[in-house]
Amino acid sequence: TAGITQAPTSQILAAGRSMTLRCTQDMRHNAMYWYRQDLGLGLRLIHYSNTAGTTGKGEVPDGYSVSRANTDDFPLTLASAVPSQTSVYFCASSDSGTGDYNEQFFGPGTRLTVL
Amino acid sequence: GQNIDQPTEMTATEGAIVQINCTYQTSGFNGLFWYQQHAGEAPTFLSYNVLDGLEEKGRFSSFLSRSKGYSYLLLKELQMKDSASYLCAPMDSNYQLIWGAGTKLIIKP
Repeated sequence: TAGITQAPTSQILAAGRSMTLRCTQDMRHNAMYWYRQDLGLGLRLIHYSNTAGTTGKGEVPDGYSVSRANTDDFPLTLASAVPSQTSVYFCASSDSGTGDYNEQFFGPGTRLTVL
Repeated sequence: GQNIDQPTEMTATEGAIVQINCTYQTSGFNGLFWYQQHAGEAPTFLSYNVLDGLEEKGRFSSFLSRSKGYSYLLLKELQMKDSASYLCAPMDSNYQLIWGAGTKLIIKP
């Protein structure tokens, strides 16, 4: 089983350019999440989706947008990248976004450098 | 505000036992997760506690005290492959995970 895949694995991006990070899961999970992970900080939630067709803002949503057109895909777009968006981005999914046992499964991550 | 506190780094010896503590303050509480993350890899699930007490799973155990806002992860019979970061993540009233910065565990032979 593939689980969750992310693309690209890594990317160097010029400041001001736009980019979409792709995330696909094959577990038919209802909920999906985007996190960024920076050295010395915990995972920070950017955006989430509890079910296809709905999205919500997390702790650090500014500069990012998401869509959830179907169950499997949850792309993250940076409209105009800035150096502070240099980070490792993890996509995750869980069976439900509103249950107490809500184990999240993570993709391998995308390492993004904005210059 | 919401806050997670865990040690930044710990060192232990192969074959020994280590306890990683986590204290938390969240808006509401719906259980607490522990994840393991090897360097350069994604986090993977280790344990979940929603009631007070100890949950044992092989070499790993996790403890929760809701009244104290406290949890620990206990690793027994340490192996070199246990060298990783361990992330404490309580779930708040909105069912969102609040992540600590993680404890980097270094295992020495």
